[in-house]
Amino acid sequence: SFVLTQPPSVSVAPGQTATIPCSEPSIGDKSVHWYQQKPGQAPVLVIYDDGDRPSGIPERFSGSNSGNTATLTISRVEAGDEADYYCQVWDGIDHCVFGTGTKVTVL
Amino acid sequence: EVQLLESGGGLVQPGGSLRLSCRASGFTFHNYVLSWVRQAPGKGLEWVSDLRDSFYTTYSANYAASVKGRFSISRDNSKSTLYLQMDSLKVEDTAVYFCARRDGYNDGQKTVLYLDSWGQGTLVTVSS
Repeated sequence: SFVLTQPPSVSVAPGQTATIPCSEPSIGDKSVHWYQQKPGQAPVLVIYDDGDRPSGIPERFSGSNSGNTATLTISRVEAGDEADYYCQVWDGIDHCVFGTGTKVTVL
Repeated sequence: EVQLLESGGGLVQPGGSLRLSCRASGFTFHNYVLSWVRQAPGKGLEWVSDLRDSFYTTYSANYAASVKGRFSISRDNSKSTLYLQMDSLKVEDTAVYFCARRDGYNDGQKTVLYLDSWGQGTLVTVSS
């Protein structure tokens, strides 16, 4: 098994850009997905396969993956983006692994 | 619209048992792998288990090491319902349990799997 490491928290001013890293030595070889979870709610898929957006997710959300870091980028941050964000990969097809999670605070 | 509705949570003593249910609607149930994911109070997400359709006779159920041998996942396609039987419960099993649908594809170079729809969760509290 492996560990996906994220910073516990990221703070960003409204209108600025938030970047959330997800680190693991071989993550560049994997397909990475990102989930947004607001307090008291279920997670919502915001990015799949490194950088694709499900329908209904704003273009402000984007993702990339290379080397030992995958990154979720939120452009033109809004107050409604304040939430916890988790990266996720599959270990083979048998075990799902989530990142440690990052709390995004909009100042 | 895809909907997943969990039920069956509650308070149980250590060593006890509980069965969770997840009723699905809005999609062809037997075509999808369904997963259970849990979240302890104030903590992150932890995958628990998933189950393919019964058409797959090998490697059909997978479990996290923390629950293997104590939890059992099953499904009833006629009722579009996923279950999680939880036995020998421990205090550390206290969490909100979410059911989620797994979707994805194989593009010839890699397999892409993700959890595209989630239920609202059901709270399991293990305490004496």
